Amino acid sequence: KAGVTQTPRYLIKTRGQQVTLSCSPISGHRSVSWYQQTPGQGLQFLFEYFSETQRNKGNFPGRFSGRQFSNSRSEMNVSTLELGDSALYLCASSLRGGAETQYFGPGTRLLVL
Amino acid sequence: EDQVTQSPEALRLQEGESSSLNCSYTVSGLRGLFWYRQDPGKGPEFLFTLYSAGEEKEKERLKATLTKKESFLHITAPKPEDSATYLCAVQDDSGTYKYIFGTGTRLKVLA
Repeated sequence: KAGVTQTPRYLIKTRGQQVTLSCSPISGHRSVSWYQQTPGQGLQFLFEYFSETQRNKGNFPGRFSGRQFSNSRSEMNVSTLELGDSALYLCASSLRGGAETQYFGPGTRLLVL
Repeated sequence: EDQVTQSPEALRLQEGESSSLNCSYTVSGLRGLFWYRQDPGKGPEFLFTLYSAGEEKEKERLKATLTKKESFLHITAPKPEDSATYLCAVQDDSGTYKYIFGTGTRLKVLA
């Protein structure tokens, strides 16, 4: 079974731009979570989607948004990029999201200049 | 507030030198505790899920145990390929579907 895939793998943007990242979960998984990972903060929860509905959101500004499609694929968008948004963005999927094992994708490395 | 603390932050071992990594957590009610391994520049790789105190899981040189307040990842006779960052995460029973991660233990095993 194919794992979680994320595109693109690397991105370079400048301050003020916006970016969209994509995540395809494992087939049959309906829960998708997004995380931001930085050396200083570790893995920080952004949001979780299940059946196209956002069920929970972490403590990030409104510039960070996401959505999920009917095929469970998910996108996250960051508008008005700031230097501090440079990070590894990870997507994880699970069957339903409730105390289940999450499987991670390889991540998208975003560099904001 | 739910919290996960991992110790030590970094650990250097000689090949064959067994040790344990600690993950202590503060949650109102634990639904699940998860261990992951992460290599530089890659996504975390799933290792174990533990649900209740007293539970143990093993895989090759790794063994995870769980008590009411902490979990240990025991590494027996490690090899250089075990070098990685080991992450612990918990999900509480509040129904928020959030996984809270610790900052990890960076393990280096020297040949």
